[in-house]
Amino acid sequence: AQSVTQLDSQVPVFEEAPVELRCNYSSSVSVYLFWYVQYPNQGLQLLLKYLSGSTLVKGINGFEAEFNKSQTSFHLRKPSVHISDTAEYFCAGSSKAAGNKLTFGGGTRVLVKP
Amino acid sequence: DTAVSQTPKYLVTQMGNDKSIKCEQNLGHDTMYWYKQDSKKFLKIMFSYNNKELIINETVPNRFSPKSPDKAHLNLHINSLELGDSAVYFCASSQDRLAEQFFGPGTRLTVL
Repeated sequence: AQSVTQLDSQVPVFEEAPVELRCNYSSSVSVYLFWYVQYPNQGLQLLLKYLSGSTLVKGINGFEAEFNKSQTSFHLRKPSVHISDTAEYFCAGSSKAAGNKLTFGGGTRVLVKP
Repeated sequence: DTAVSQTPKYLVTQMGNDKSIKCEQNLGHDTMYWYKQDSKKFLKIMFSYNNKELIINETVPNRFSPKSPDKAHLNLHINSLELGDSAVYFCASSQDRLAEQFFGPGTRLTVL
């Protein structure tokens, strides 16, 4: 069965510092990966996605992620965070083997401090 | 214009009651979903419909019954509500099952 693991439940970071959120997936076939952001009391919004092609994916709000097949990882990065980046971040994956069902990681709460 | 909308935004009710949550999308998407987010923020898919046909039905109690009157709507009816049903329920839609999913704002259900 496919699973997605986010290794950090919380990441405190100072404003203008870089941040990396870790995500690992398990799948034996082609996989599609996504990062979503959830601001307080709101729904989820797509930051970026990897379907195929270039392993470095750029998304909205200055975020990027790198698909690493050998390490089965899809870590999210931002070189300089803002207070407004405080939110919950979810990594998610789907695959044909899993019936294209989207499986979410447990989420990483990013708290940006001034 | 709201792409995926849900009503109500908040729902407080007593144990044993029956309630419904409505979802509508104006994106012309073929596939719609219901997710449950628990108090620890964990998100799990409950149902998925494609062109009004049920395609994913996770191990959800049969007290939960989705209904899709047309491609743009997917409602969730819950019978005999229990304390453990308290959560935030999200509706989502996508053009197909590989595409980006667009989420609604969520419905916070509190069962007393």
